[in-house]
Amino acid sequence: DGGITQSPKYLFRKEGQNVTLSCEQNLNHDAMYWYRQDPGQGLRLIYYSQIVNDFQKGDIAEGYSVSREKKESFPLTVTSAQKNPTAFYLCASSMDHGQPQHFGDGTRLSIL
Amino acid sequence: RKEVEQDPGPFNVPEGATVAFNCTYSNSASQSFFWYRQDCRKEPKLLMSVYSSGNEDGRFTAQLNRASQYISLLIRDSKLSDSATYLCVVNAWGGSQGNLIFGKGTKLSVKP
Repeated sequence: DGGITQSPKYLFRKEGQNVTLSCEQNLNHDAMYWYRQDPGQGLRLIYYSQIVNDFQKGDIAEGYSVSREKKESFPLTVTSAQKNPTAFYLCASSMDHGQPQHFGDGTRLSIL
Repeated sequence: RKEVEQDPGPFNVPEGATVAFNCTYSNSASQSFFWYRQDCRKEPKLLMSVYSSGNEDGRFTAQLNRASQYISLLIRDSKLSDSATYLCVVNAWGGSQGNLIFGKGTKLSVKP
């Protein structure tokens, strides 16, 4: 079955630690995205990538980093510089930038 | 003015009722419009795209009014399974270079 897989489902971060969230898609989509959702809030764009080896900052990129070495994969690193990382992180992909996006089932990140 | 604005609800309706959600957007250059649904603690899922002429998918009807920068979603014969948060999504061309802008959502609760 084609889809987007995020792992892990739950993640705990210690103070000063970097953690990496995985996102893999087998939909052959060019564009991939990372969003953050806080309780009762809308989705906020962290980073996006329209093509392999290229990515752009979204609205709240500070404290995060990404890479896009393969079309299928777009991992997100939450660095120690992100002081309020507790949130629901959603990865999405679309055939092309601006097209409807399909989401993975998310990673919940909490602080230990 | 917020980029995408929705009434947060909640809308509490009995089974079988007809319910309508509205959404306004600020960027007159927007070209694509979507409705997503998000169940509690789950990822958003595409419900339907919204076309200029309006479109229908079973019990769901979406309409677009470009002059008023307004989108609507009508749900007829509500089912218990329609209970969710409905997200209005707008493709913001121009300044946002095609990124999707998500509203905070309208919560629907269908009661027996």
